[in-house]
Amino acid sequence: QEQLMESGGGVFEPGTSVKLSCVTSGFTLSNHAMHWVRQAPGKGLEWLASVTYDSIYKNYAESVKGRFTISRDNIHNTVYLQTDSLRLEDTGVYFCARDSANYGPGNYLNPWGQGTEVTVSS
Amino acid sequence: DIQLTQSPSFQSASVGDTVTITCRASQGIRNWLAWYRQKPGKAPQLLIYLASTLQSGVPTRFSGSGFGTEFTLTITNLQPEDVASYYCLRLNGNPVAFGPGTKLDV
Repeated sequence: QEQLMESGGGVFEPGTSVKLSCVTSGFTLSNHAMHWVRQAPGKGLEWLASVTYDSIYKNYAESVKGRFTISRDNIHNTVYLQTDSLRLEDTGVYFCARDSANYGPGNYLNPWGQGTEVTVSS
Repeated sequence: DIQLTQSPSFQSASVGDTVTITCRASQGIRNWLAWYRQKPGKAPQLLIYLASTLQSGVPTRFSGSGFGTEFTLTITNLQPEDVASYYCLRLNGNPVAFGPGTKLDV
């Protein structure tokens, strides 16, 4: 069964950092590009970042460029999102999702993890 | 970047109804579009990809159509479990982007 499980969320003060993890199982991570998507409370889905299967290419949304860094460890089946200089507006649920292609974007993002909640508050 | 709009932003319907949601792209994206259903408190679920291909395991009352700049998601025989938000996602290149969503109340 193909699964993704995010972790690392919690309550953080503005200006601090947190590294989110997405542990995958049931498929070969090194065959797929991966993405992070977030959802602010009561809002829609916002794509944040993607990384190709080989980590050569990374793409970021303008809202997080320069503050967030996506990375991956294919040996340990894990994708990461380092979030620095957190802002109040970074509050939300963070999802990881698998691309159907290795370089991405492919035909779809699927499956998704259940998400990890990040709250930025002073 | 190519922007997506969705209409309506909110719709109320009854069990058994047919509902159509539209997603428009600011420029042509061929058929590089997917549709997702997100139930409250859950992760998004893939319904349709390549504009009209039904994802395995998804009920056949969901269908998608369109090409270029205008796309539709049609749900026939609406069920109570279809209370959700629906999002289109364009995948014609980086960065990918979601539409703003349509909230469906049954």
